[in-house]
Amino acid sequence: SAVISQKPSRDICQRGTSLTIQCQVDSQVTMMFWYRQQPGQSLTLIATANQGSEATYESGFVIDKFPISRPNLTFSTLTVSNMSPEDSSIYLCSVSLAVRGGYTFGSGTRLTVV
Amino acid sequence: QKEVEQNSGPLSVPEGAIASLNCTYSDRGSQSFFWYRQYSGKSPELIMSIYSNGDKEDGRFTAQLNKASQYVFLLIRDSQPSDSATYLCAVEGSSNYQLIWGAGTKLIIKP
Repeated sequence: SAVISQKPSRDICQRGTSLTIQCQVDSQVTMMFWYRQQPGQSLTLIATANQGSEATYESGFVIDKFPISRPNLTFSTLTVSNMSPEDSSIYLCSVSLAVRGGYTFGSGTRLTVV
Repeated sequence: QKEVEQNSGPLSVPEGAIASLNCTYSDRGSQSFFWYRQYSGKSPELIMSIYSNGDKEDGRFTAQLNKASQYVFLLIRDSQPSDSATYLCAVEGSSNYQLIWGAGTKLIIKP
């Protein structure tokens, strides 16, 4: 399985600012996913990050709010822009190493917007 | 809309007993099924995968899959307090192979 380094692990940010979350994988992967998890809730997929093309966003999430970069097959960033308290959540990156192989997750970023 | 349903719990089980967690799904074409364990404040961890009808055992964990009835179970034998966590069921969608997640079942093992 892959080892994923995600940072920062947590941050407290002022409303109106932006935070960029980084995800580094120890092997090349085709698909990387960004999730959000509210306290006590399940996982909500924000977008799929594709190397060499635009990210694919799920309903309710837009590129202006959550821009994603995927410069190579081992790295991706998610930016949470113009933050409001409603953006307070845990953000997780994950990768799929193979079809039917399930996903591996980074350790998560706990974001609090004040 | 493809869905995965789980009882939210909490499910309380005495230490040493069998914990039974269930999950139903709507996508009849799904072929891959996963159970994840998530401790509070941690990220999900894959504990079981199953692809064929029947049982798959790994230590104290057994996954049971019935594609005709569209359910997948997770059984935990000899439950330990360290098994207390939220268990997420995930099903690979037949159209795009992305995982569809259940809401999770919170399991509490009482000493």
